[in-house]
Amino acid sequence: AQSVTQLDSQVPVFEEAPVELRCNYSSSVSVYLFWYVQYPNQGLQLLLKYLSGSTLVKGINGFEAEFNKSQTSFHLRKPSVHISDTAEYFCAVTAGNRDDKIIFGKGTRLHILP
Amino acid sequence: DAGVIQSPRHEVTEMGQEVTLRCKPISGHNSLFWYRQTMMRGLELLIYFNNNVPIDDSGMPEDRFSAKMPNASFSTLKIQPSEPRDSAVYFCASSLGRTDDNYGYTFGSGTRLTVV
Repeated sequence: AQSVTQLDSQVPVFEEAPVELRCNYSSSVSVYLFWYVQYPNQGLQLLLKYLSGSTLVKGINGFEAEFNKSQTSFHLRKPSVHISDTAEYFCAVTAGNRDDKIIFGKGTRLHILP
Repeated sequence: DAGVIQSPRHEVTEMGQEVTLRCKPISGHNSLFWYRQTMMRGLELLIYFNNNVPIDDSGMPEDRFSAKMPNASFSTLKIQPSEPRDSAVYFCASSLGRTDDNYGYTFGSGTRLTVV
């Protein structure tokens, strides 16, 4: 069965510094991968996704992620964070070959330090 | 499009009462998902529908929970009777099928349920 691991539950980073949020998945079939962001007291919003094609995916708000099949990873990066990036970030993977269901990781809370 | 619309935004109810949460998916989306989010358990999938048919309800905690999708534009999640441990934020999400380039969930703003 597919699963998603977000190794860091919280990541503190100084404003204007780069950040990487790690995501590893396990799957025996080809997958689609997603990053969602949840701002305080809001629903989840799609940040970016990998369905096929280029392994480097660019999303909203200056974020990007790279699909690495050999390492089964899909890490999220931003070269310079802003205080408005304070949120929880969820990595997600499709549940199977034909299933529309998406499996979410437990989330990483990004704290931006002034 | 107005996005996925959930109502109510907040619900406070007494233990033992029936609670009904509502969701209107994005027009044209053929899959609908109900999630529950708590600090302790994170984001849990309760049930999902494809073309109004329940496909996977393995996440429904117990018989007190039921969900329906009578048509493509409306779904309900009902808890009867409600208990304090049901307190959580309940999200609805909808999606096109995975064969579509626009595949990916769109979430509603959630319903914050408090059972006292």
